[in-house]
Amino acid sequence: EAGVAQSPRYKIIEKRQSVAFWCNPISGHATLYWYQQILGQGPKLLIQFQNNGVVDDSQLPKDRFSAERLKGVDSTLKIQPAKLEDSAVYLCASSLGRTGSYEQYFGPGTRLTVT
Amino acid sequence: QKEVEQNSGPLSVPEGAIASLNCTYSDRGSQSFFWYRQYSGKSPELIMFIYSNGDKEDGRFTAQLNKASQYVSLLIRDSQPSDSATYLCALEGDSSYKLIFGSGTRLLVRP
Repeated sequence: EAGVAQSPRYKIIEKRQSVAFWCNPISGHATLYWYQQILGQGPKLLIQFQNNGVVDDSQLPKDRFSAERLKGVDSTLKIQPAKLEDSAVYLCASSLGRTGSYEQYFGPGTRLTVT
Repeated sequence: QKEVEQNSGPLSVPEGAIASLNCTYSDRGSQSFFWYRQYSGKSPELIMFIYSNGDKEDGRFTAQLNKASQYVSLLIRDSQPSDSATYLCALEGDSSYKLIFGSGTRLLVRP
């Protein structure tokens, strides 16, 4: 079974530039998550989708971050414009269902460096 | 915001010893707890979850939950160098079931 795919794996941009990340979840997984993990910290949920609807985006900085999940499969996360503090690993995860009883499977992540 | 606290470590144990990792949380209403392992430069992977007070064992791993004292722990028996990683404690949020992670404890197992 193929895992969660993410691209790109690494990205370096200057502050105020834009960047987009892509995620393809495990086939059949209805729930998709985007996390931000800053060095030395645990992952922080940015947004959670159930199929193509948003379940939780309470910690998404909506003035600069946006995400979509068209057709309930692939998802993109965009940052526009980027700030230095956005430097982090962006993890995508997916699960069969919403509750914690469904294991979340994480992708390899995208390491973003903002200079 | 629910808080999950972990000692950042590193916790250093010799090979073959028992490693004990602890986590405390602030929300008394939290019901579900998870332990994830994260190797350096890799993504988190689920080790165990626990919902009920007491112990839950899976191979060399035992999760312990004490809701009255608001702590959850992970014991790793017969620690191996391959267990060296950061261990993340997480609890499940309420309405959206989102996971709230602690900052993790780094474990080093010395050969």
